[in-house]
Amino acid sequence: DIQLTQSPSFLSASVGDRVTITCRASQGISSYLAWYQQKPGKAPKLLIYAASTLQSGVPSRFSGSGSGTEFTLTISSLQPEDFATYYCQQLNSYPQTFGQGTKVEIK
Amino acid sequence: EVQLVESGGGLVQPGGSLRLSCAASGFTFSSYWMSWVRQAPGKGLEWVANIKQHGNEKYYVDSVKGRFTISRDNAQNSLYLQMNSLRAEDTAVYYCVRKGSSIEGKYYYTDVWGKGTTVTVSS
Repeated sequence: DIQLTQSPSFLSASVGDRVTITCRASQGISSYLAWYQQKPGKAPKLLIYAASTLQSGVPSRFSGSGSGTEFTLTISSLQPEDFATYYCQQLNSYPQTFGQGTKVEIK
Repeated sequence: EVQLVESGGGLVQPGGSLRLSCAASGFTFSSYWMSWVRQAPGKGLEWVANIKQHGNEKYYVDSVKGRFTISRDNAQNSLYLQMNSLRAEDTAVYYCVRKGSSIEGKYYYTDVWGKGTTVTVSS
């Protein structure tokens, strides 16, 4: 099974900060990676797929990069509505594992 | 409006069974892979199972193989998860999700999520 390790697991930041979350895969997954945002009590929301393609309707302050085993999600200027937990998921092979999550909180 | 609505969750004793249902609307259900994803209380997301458009391919996470069965009824626009031999560690919110794909069909992702249905396994 492919393991995904996100870092950090917890991040404290201020509105306007640039935030970067890393997702490392235990083996190469090409660009078969997606990023999701989840707010408390809500279902996750797709942000990025194919490692770097922004889902329709997602603000352009979100961006994704990487391929192979190392990927990043960047929020260029953190907004109040961005405080949430973020997950990566690999769709290269079964089981389609998720990272453990990165919680972004207000500093 | 594209929508997925789960039902069938509840409290069940260890060793018991439940059948989750998901009603899809607002899109051509038979054109999409569908999945179940779960989230234990206070924990992260876990992919559970996938089913291909016409049900001829199914995949499961190891922890549910032999106990859970994913199925679909394209005529009824419905997805199901039959869960047998339930364990305490199956306690979670279960999400019905749609697998979208890129235009060329190379990249898949989970683009539509239901609100979830809660399954609690406890005596």
